[in-house]
Amino acid sequence: EPEVTQTPSHQVTQMGQEVILRCVPISNHLYFYWYRQILGQKVEFLVSFYNNEISEKSEIFDDQFSVERPDGSNFTLKIRSTKLEDSAMYFCASRSRTTEAFFGQGTRLTVV
Amino acid sequence: QQQVKQSPQSLIVQKGGISIINCAYENTAFDYFPWYQQFPGKGPALLIAIRPDVSEKKEGRFTISFNKSAKQFSLHIMDSQPGDSATYFCAANPNQAGTALIFGKGTTLSVSS
Repeated sequence: EPEVTQTPSHQVTQMGQEVILRCVPISNHLYFYWYRQILGQKVEFLVSFYNNEISEKSEIFDDQFSVERPDGSNFTLKIRSTKLEDSAMYFCASRSRTTEAFFGQGTRLTVV
Repeated sequence: QQQVKQSPQSLIVQKGGISIINCAYENTAFDYFPWYQQFPGKGPALLIAIRPDVSEKKEGRFTISFNKSAKQFSLHIMDSQPGDSATYFCAANPNQAGTALIFGKGTTLSVSS
């Protein structure tokens, strides 16, 4: 069964450092998303991406964040200068025009 | 207007009982309402979804009830089992390809044996 794959599963970084979270969406999907979930809280939308550009973003997705689809398979989220409050689970999701959104297993980001 | 309000925050149900989780929304542009199930350390997984042209959808022990006029929808888990213990999120979005899902805050369900 096709699935969304995220790496790494856990990333520890120093405050102020840049991190890149990686995702491989399901191969025939066209719409890609990043969500985050602070421990014990709800899943929050960050950004959606379609046709090689951002189609929607939330207030959380400020200038510290960027997304890229560098090749035909990967979808990345970059946080330029991490803050303690960026510590969360980050989920990538993808969908086609007709399917539901499928989520990856998440990357746990810990900023120390 | 983009919010989806979910209750209760946590729920304890005896094995074999019925679990009921409620959600309400305000944005009338929402017309797709999925429920996601999340186990610890895992990503949310789609459980069941409904569109507002029907008032109820059933899949096995899981039923969504939808009240368009009240802008409310609920998840019923019949014959709840310990394996159903998880966090459940309702969500909504306009039926436009690419539009983000807006999630409720989640309900932690514990089914005691």
